[in-house]
Amino acid sequence: SQKIEQNSEALNIQEGKTATLTCNYTNYSPAYLQWYRQDPGRGPVFLLLIRENEKEKRKERLKVTFDTTLKQSLFHITASQPADSATYLCALEHNNNDMRFGAGTRLTVKP
Amino acid sequence: DAGVIQSPRHEVTEMGQEVTLRCKPISGHDYLFWYRQTMMRGLELLIYFNNNVPIDDSGMPEDRFSAKMPNASFSTLKIQPSEPRDSAVYFCASSLVPSETQYFGPGTRLLVL
Repeated sequence: SQKIEQNSEALNIQEGKTATLTCNYTNYSPAYLQWYRQDPGRGPVFLLLIRENEKEKRKERLKVTFDTTLKQSLFHITASQPADSATYLCALEHNNNDMRFGAGTRLTVKP
Repeated sequence: DAGVIQSPRHEVTEMGQEVTLRCKPISGHDYLFWYRQTMMRGLELLIYFNNNVPIDDSGMPEDRFSAKMPNASFSTLKIQPSEPRDSAVYFCASSLVPSETQYFGPGTRLLVL
């Protein structure tokens, strides 16, 4: 069956450290993979998109990698700040028509 | 543009009642998606439309759920009759291309007693 697994429900790190979130998938062949941020009481907000032929993409303090052999994406936030505290969702392109979301990882950055 | 607009933001109803959720997508977006989010199941795709036509409703849990898109600027998700297990946050999202960036609304928090 198809699965999208994000590492641990919650991740706690100290301010200034790098947060690394993992997204593993099974029985998908996504042409794209996206990362979204969701704050409590709000809808998800798009952060980054990476295509299957791209190994890495960066945006400011964010970095995403995409390994189609391992079927894994890593999402890094460098120099983390308390304002980065949120739930982060990975989403996979599905049949070129829609996206399927992982359950999310709740990140807490402590000052 | 004001973004995706959903109403109501909160809905409390009793089991057996009809519930109608509303969504206005971003102007010019041809794709509209309805999702349901719960702690147990995460964010689930219920149905999506392309140019007002339902394309995939395989995520609709059962016949009690129905969705319509009468025009490019309005969609509804209806639950009739509602049950306590329908309690969740329902999101509407729109996009220009189906598998590219989706823009989510603020969600409707539904509680069925």
